[in-house]
Amino acid sequence: GQSLEQPSEVTAVEGAIVQINCTYQTSGFYGLSWYQQHDGGAPTFLSYNALDGLEETGRFSSFLSRSDSYGYLLLQELQMKDSASYFCAVRVSNYGGATNKLIFGTGTLLAVQP
Amino acid sequence: ETGVTQTPRHLVMGMTNKKSLKCEQHLGHNAMYWYKQSAKKPLELMFVYSLEERVENNSVPSRFSPECPNSSHLFLHLHTLQPEDSALYLCASSLTGGANYGYTFGSGTRLTVV
Repeated sequence: GQSLEQPSEVTAVEGAIVQINCTYQTSGFYGLSWYQQHDGGAPTFLSYNALDGLEETGRFSSFLSRSDSYGYLLLQELQMKDSASYFCAVRVSNYGGATNKLIFGTGTLLAVQP
Repeated sequence: ETGVTQTPRHLVMGMTNKKSLKCEQHLGHNAMYWYKQSAKKPLELMFVYSLEERVENNSVPSRFSPECPNSSHLFLHLHTLQPEDSALYLCASSLTGGANYGYTFGSGTRLTVV
């Protein structure tokens, strides 16, 4: 089967740093993505790691260790608007290069407090 | 507005009704997807269309019937639904070989079956 594990909830204060972990067990692995979803909104793409290491995009960074089947999303200088659900997703196949198949985790609800 | 538009935003239907969900994208993407999002559960992949051809039907009951008439439009036809089908239905699109293999999601249709 396919499974991705994330903490269900994380709470942090404005200005702090928070790390959301994701461990996965999937048949096939091409890369790990992160998505943000505000309540009632569309999930939006944040980052993608195909190779081991850290990718930085502004206040957000994402890390991957393929040997450990593990990744994390790091959010720095937290703002109130960062309160949302965060999903990790594994790209498990590419249909021969034609398209992508993503399997999602259950999501982590981040609450940023003043 | 993400570039992927879903209508209607909300839908209440009886178990004997027939309705359709519509998804439209003008991003030049050539793959489209239907996902089901229920509380406390991962996003569940339902259908994948690549270049207007269905490449995945993820063991979805036949009361859900997808249609992709062209690369910009995707429909989900619903009939004889059950209360447990109540959920947020998300449409997404992506570009073959696109940067970071990211999906663009619509804001979803909140479906309630009564």
